[in-house]
Amino acid sequence: GNSVTQMEGPVTLSEEAFLTINCTYTATGYPSLFWYVQYPGEGLQLLLKATKADDKGSNKGFEATYRKETTSFHLEKGSVQVSDSAVYFCALRKTSYDKVIFGPGTSLSVIP
Amino acid sequence: NAGVTQTPKFRILKIGQSMTLQCTQDMNHNYMYWYRQDPGMGLKLIYYSVGAGITDKGEVPNGYNVSRSTTEDFPLRLELAAPSQTSVYFCASTYEGNRNTGELFFGEGSRLTVL
Repeated sequence: GNSVTQMEGPVTLSEEAFLTINCTYTATGYPSLFWYVQYPGEGLQLLLKATKADDKGSNKGFEATYRKETTSFHLEKGSVQVSDSAVYFCALRKTSYDKVIFGPGTSLSVIP
Repeated sequence: NAGVTQTPKFRILKIGQSMTLQCTQDMNHNYMYWYRQDPGMGLKLIYYSVGAGITDKGEVPNGYNVSRSTTEDFPLRLELAAPSQTSVYFCASTYEGNRNTGELFFGEGSRLTVL
């Protein structure tokens, strides 16, 4: 079946460090891919998305590129801030009528 | 625009008690979902609805019930609370159709503790 795998956390970085959170998926065809972020005490919110191969989603300095050949959608940011401390979820959906499948989440802590 | 509103935000139940978690959205979304999030774990789908009067089970429906009498409301009922239901519950909604963007909109969560 369809699934999403993320790197295990927690991840701790110093401010201004480079961030990569790995995400790989298993699905047939061309699912849409998403990154959601959950700040402490809040619900999840969409960070970025990509709907076809080689698309790059970007928002708030974060980027992720849809790589069909490696079935990956890694999240990157060049310089993290303390305010980026949150849990990040990779997710996929095969069609607009399918349920969203979430990865287990990766906790990020950024220290000054 | 309130988005997705969940109540209560916190609740402590005794084993065997019943309660309903309320969820309301004002975005005219047709799809609504209930998830639970356990510490260090991802989201698990409990129930979902594709429109008023239509509901279906997700991955972990046992011990829960739902109803969808209106487009706006999607309450989650716990009939006989058990410690295993201690979790944070999230309601989410989206519009599935021609103008679908694929984005799920989440409420702020309801933290439930069963003692």
